[in-house]
Parts: sequence; C-alpha cells; structure tokens
Amino acid sequence: DTAVSQTPKYLVTQMGNDKSIKCEQNLGHDTMYWYKQDSKKFLKIMFSYNNKELIINETVPNRFSPKSPDKAHLNLHINSLELGDSAVYFCASSQAGFNSPLHFGNGTRLTVT
Amino acid sequence: AQTVTQSQPEMSVQEAETVTLSCTYDTSESDYYLFWYKQPPSRQMILVIRQEAYKQQNATENRFSVNFQKAAKSFSLKISDSQLGDAAMYFCAYRGETSGSRLTFGEGTQLTVNP
Repeated sequence: DTAVSQTPKYLVTQMGNDKSIKCEQNLGHDTMYWYKQDSKKFLKIMFSYNNKELIINETVPNRFSPKSPDKAHLNLHINSLELGDSAVYFCASSQAGFNSPLHFGNGTRLTVT
Repeated sequence: AQTVTQSQPEMSVQEAETVTLSCTYDTSESDYYLFWYKQPPSRQMILVIRQEAYKQQNATENRFSVNFQKAAKSFSLKISDSQLGDAAMYFCAYRGETSGSRLTFGEGTQLTVNP
C-alpha cells in the first residue's frame, strides 16, 4: 500500500552514463514533483507536473528530462551523468491547492563515480 | 521569491525534555501554509504538522506544536517529552497561494536526542 514509490533506491554509475529513476503514486494526486537533496541536505525543487503537464521547470541542466506518461507516474531521465549529479532525488505528489502537503517517496541515492 | 530560513543547523535535547526549533520565512503573499517535515536516518520525509496563515490558533499534533507569529513571520516547532525516535533532520517549508505548487524548504535543523 505504498503511497509514493520510486525505484531504484540506490544507483551507482559512472560519469557519462545515462540513467532513469521511476516514480509512481497511488494516492490519486494530480501533481507530481522531483526534488534534489544535496550533500548538505538542502532540498530544491527541480520539476513539477500537473496532470501530465509541466508546470515548474527550475534552472536544471537540460541533461535532466522528466517524463509523465500519466498522472500517476513521473520518471526522471538523466543523460551524460556528472560527478556533481550525485545526490538524493525525491519524487513527491500532492493534491492541487497550496493547502495540500507533499507526500514523498523514499528517495533514490545516486552516486556518480 | 519566498524564502525559508532555519538558523539552527543543530540542536540537542535530553530525552523527556522540551525543545523548540526555529524557522522564519519571507513572503509577500497573503495566504499560505507552513509545514514541518521530519527526515530520520531512513531518509523518509514525514509530515509532522501544518499551519494555515489565516488561522490564529496554533496547530498541535500530539507532542508537536507550533508557535506561529504571522507578523514576525516566524514558525517554530516545539517538541514536548522528546523521545529517542524524534532524532532526525527537521525541515520547515512554505507553500503559498500564488507561488505555484512549489514547496520551499529551509536548510534543516539536525536534532539529537540524548538518553
């Protein structure tokens, strides 16, 4: 009965590779997000989708490409991975409306070597 | 742009004691929500408590309560009867009516609970 699930939990890869992180939510929420948590634990929004439409696209290198095949899924593809991409990536979802909290997945720790 | 500041990178408390974590924010929006999230070593992000800006009454959830001072733009979290399981990183977060769907986080406060 996991609400927001993302896979994989851990991802170790070499520089230059391409990788994807998948996210699914079963809460019926309209809005999904990707957040990046850096080594200092700071959480920063990367993207947000509402009903498969991109509504937030922060200053993120275009090597990062989100894809939302339907409103329950939001995947993150990263091309040409760099050392600085090492971080924990969180998927989240919420109802529309600023009164709704975000529900987070358990994060994917990406390590680029 | 809205900003959230947590000025205490680390705090510690003795088990069974009370601790208060500070948070200030800056906004020009009239309506918004404030949240506290807990991140234990398991990495999960867990919602602790939320407060609407228009509600004067401070939110309470069991041992967790907030002191919301709207004029001062302050939103502190009080944890009473601290337990070992409260040890975690605590994040204050803001979500406003016109700032889109984004949730903006503070830098976090690492709470240690000493037995």
